[in-house]
Amino acid sequence: ETGVTQTPRHLVMGMTNKKSLKCEQHLGHNAMYWYKQSAKKPLELMFVYSLEERVENNSVPSRFSPECPNSSHLFLHLHTLQPEDSALYLCASSQTRAGVDTQYFGPGTRLTVL
Amino acid sequence: GQNIDQPTEMTATEGAIVQINCTYQTSGFNGLFWYQQHAGEAPTFLSYNVLDGLEEKGRFSSFLSRSKGYSYLLLKELQMKDSASYLCAVSDSNYQLIWGAGTKLIIKP
Repeated sequence: ETGVTQTPRHLVMGMTNKKSLKCEQHLGHNAMYWYKQSAKKPLELMFVYSLEERVENNSVPSRFSPECPNSSHLFLHLHTLQPEDSALYLCASSQTRAGVDTQYFGPGTRLTVL
Repeated sequence: GQNIDQPTEMTATEGAIVQINCTYQTSGFNGLFWYQQHAGEAPTFLSYNVLDGLEEKGRFSSFLSRSKGYSYLLLKELQMKDSASYLCAVSDSNYQLIWGAGTKLIIKP
């Protein structure tokens, strides 16, 4: 257990569905992240929140919409996804958003888009 | 552009030693991380190097040479549970993490 939980662990959705991924951290951290992990590719940073404010958005398509209602919770809302969006979506948290702080990851949501 | 290179896959024998290399080309350097990721699980932190040299932590050691843009992770007395992917990541001048694609380590009895 890393102190970061994600639900659901697996999700299958059609291209017209709307779904949300949830992440919760129990570590008292101030920064939270969404990553996309595809096979044999580096982790892709999607969004970073620090103290509930989005500080980075790495040109992610608008069909992905993040929400951070407080410093412990992070959501990723999904809408009209494409098959190439199928991947493992990882949430992480760190004490601050400085790149020298260890990031603690959740187990991920395995997303399949049909 | 920024780039992290590590081998895609390595195979080693239980009880042996294996070295996983990572080379990087980034705009600036503020430290290098190694993470372990078992299949279907979260990546977990192994080590952080910001100064040149070797850091030892039990069976795992991590080495850094900033002048060469090079690091390695050394795993001794390999156990079957060490079968996992090992991710190298560098913090650049903006303190953003640049990730490698990971090295899948297969341990054979």
